Formats: sequence, structure tokens, C-alpha cells
Amino acid sequence: GAGVSQSPRYKVAKRGQDVALRCDPISGHVSLFWYQQALGQGPEFLTYFQNEAQLDKSGLPSDRFFAERPEGSVSTLKIQRTQQEDSAVYLCASSLIGAQYFGPGTRLLVL
Amino acid sequence: DAKTTQPPSMDCAEGRAANLPCNHSTISGNEYVYWYRQIHSQGPQYIIHGLKNNETNEMASLIITEDRKSSTLILPHATLRDTAVYYCIVRVREYGNKLVFGAGTILRVKS
Repeated sequence: GAGVSQSPRYKVAKRGQDVALRCDPISGHVSLFWYQQALGQGPEFLTYFQNEAQLDKSGLPSDRFFAERPEGSVSTLKIQRTQQEDSAVYLCASSLIGAQYFGPGTRLLVL
Repeated sequence: DAKTTQPPSMDCAEGRAANLPCNHSTISGNEYVYWYRQIHSQGPQYIIHGLKNNETNEMASLIITEDRKSSTLILPHATLRDTAVYYCIVRVREYGNKLVFGAGTILRVKS
């Protein structure tokens, strides 16, 4: 069956540019998570959705980061006015109640 | 969530069993042990999880000690494709509970 997909796989942005990263979760999965992974580090939690409700956004590093999941399926992570420190791999995961299943990630490079 | 301790790296010969240890001495009664791995440039992949009984699936076996303070992930016949970072994570199995990744163990399978 289809897993979690993310697009684009790679994104190069100029500092100050806005970017939007898309996640298509596994069909029927209630929970959706976003993680950020810096080079050489483990993934770090950003935010969590249960259906369309964003129940935890404690990991978002600044108010430049915004996520939405308006119909409880596809989610978009938006980063406004990108900075060099935003360069990382952004991972999306979906789950029912137990194991989380990850997408391949979007590698963002801010120049 | 309880913290885990894993060795930073391990080597294993191709075709032999790889035994990856994890200490979680402060685990709570309702926390499960989850194992994920991350192959270079891919998203984390769920392997297996357990509460107190040993578990086996098509990928691996999970052995949890009786006091639940440690566990071992066993890959019975390691291949070169099993070279990855392996993460042991303890968490309560409920909606919205994020994964907290430590440094993991880098497993190198050598021919």
C-alpha cells in the first residue's frame, strides 16, 4: 500500500523567501506529525495534528513556522522569511495510535 | 518520556546476528519500547515495539528483560542493507505522543 509521501524532495530557497512543504499521510491515519532533522542529529518534534486539529505546536522554533491540515488529510508546513538556520530535512509521519510511519523527507537548503 | 542509553556504534559481519542493546532504567509501567532505524538519506523506518513480552516480526526480534530496564533488538541475519542508525525510544502508546529521538546506535554491517 501507499506510504507517506512528501513533496518536494529537495528545495533550495534564498534567505528571506517563503517555502511550503507538503505531506500526504497514509489514508485513514488520524495523527500527523512534523519533525525537523538537522545534519548529523536525530529528528526533533515540531508539531502534531489529530485530524484537522493542531493539538501540539510546542516544537515550532519560531512564529515563522506555520502548519495546517484543513481537511484532516494532507498537511502543509510553511516557513516564512527563511533563514540559513532553517536548513534541515523536514520529516512528516502519520499514525493511528501506535507506530509512526515516516515519509522520505524534504531537504531544505537556505542560501 | 523515559530516556534511553545506546552504544554510539557497533559493527557486525554480514550474515551474522546483530544484537543492539538499549538501557531504559527509568521506564514507566505504561511505556512501550519502540525501535526505529534510519538508513542514510531516508526517513526513519519503524521496526518493532513491545511492552513486556518478547516480540518478533519479519524484520527483527525484540527481547525485553523481566524488570523492563533494558532491551535488545536482534537482526537475525544482518545484510549490508541493514547498515543504519538504530533508535530505541520509550513512549506511552497514545494519540499525539511524539517520538523523542536520542543519538541512536550506528550499525555498520561489513562483508
